[in-house]
Amino acid sequence: DGGITQSPKYLFRKEGQNVTLSCEQNLNHDAMYWYRQDPGQGLRLIYYSQIVNDFQKGDIAEGYSVSREKKESFPLTVTSAQKNPTAFYLCASSYLNQPQHFGDGTRLSIL
Amino acid sequence: EDQVTQSPEALRLQEGESSSLNCSYTVSGLRGLFWYRQDPGKGPEFLFTLYSAGEEKEKERLKATLTKKESFLHITAPKPEDSATYLCAPLSEGGSYIPTFGRGTSLIVHP
Repeated sequence: DGGITQSPKYLFRKEGQNVTLSCEQNLNHDAMYWYRQDPGQGLRLIYYSQIVNDFQKGDIAEGYSVSREKKESFPLTVTSAQKNPTAFYLCASSYLNQPQHFGDGTRLSIL
Repeated sequence: EDQVTQSPEALRLQEGESSSLNCSYTVSGLRGLFWYRQDPGKGPEFLFTLYSAGEEKEKERLKATLTKKESFLHITAPKPEDSATYLCAPLSEGGSYIPTFGRGTSLIVHP
């Protein structure tokens, strides 16, 4: 079945450490997105990519980095510069102008 | 700047008690409006796309409608399994093809 897979489901970060969240899709979608979800805040866009080897900052990109070397993959790195990384991270993909399909998220916590 | 407001923030219903959720939006030309359902600890699941005022879509006990400034999600005779957070996301004609998500309505249906 086609879908979008995020891993790991739970992730813990130590102070000063970078961590990378994985997102893979087999829907042949051109566009991929990363969102952060905090209680009461809704979905906030971190980065998005509409084509391989190109990506754009969203509303809250500071402290995060991404790459898009393959159409299927859009990993997100949470760097040590992100001072409040505890959140639920959602990856999505879509064709342009079409509804997004979401993964089941990664919950990141600080040790 | 595109804006989306969902109301109420939270709604408690008895099983069988019908109600409506509201999504008010301000966008520079509407390309489409998406509704999603999100269960705790999961990614949003796509429900409907509405494209123009007067359009309606139905799925089981859910019916989504659209005007030029609002969308409603009507829930008829809800069951406990309808409990979830419902998100709306209008997509504007301008810019980057990224929908703007509301903060959602948390629905709890008591048996």
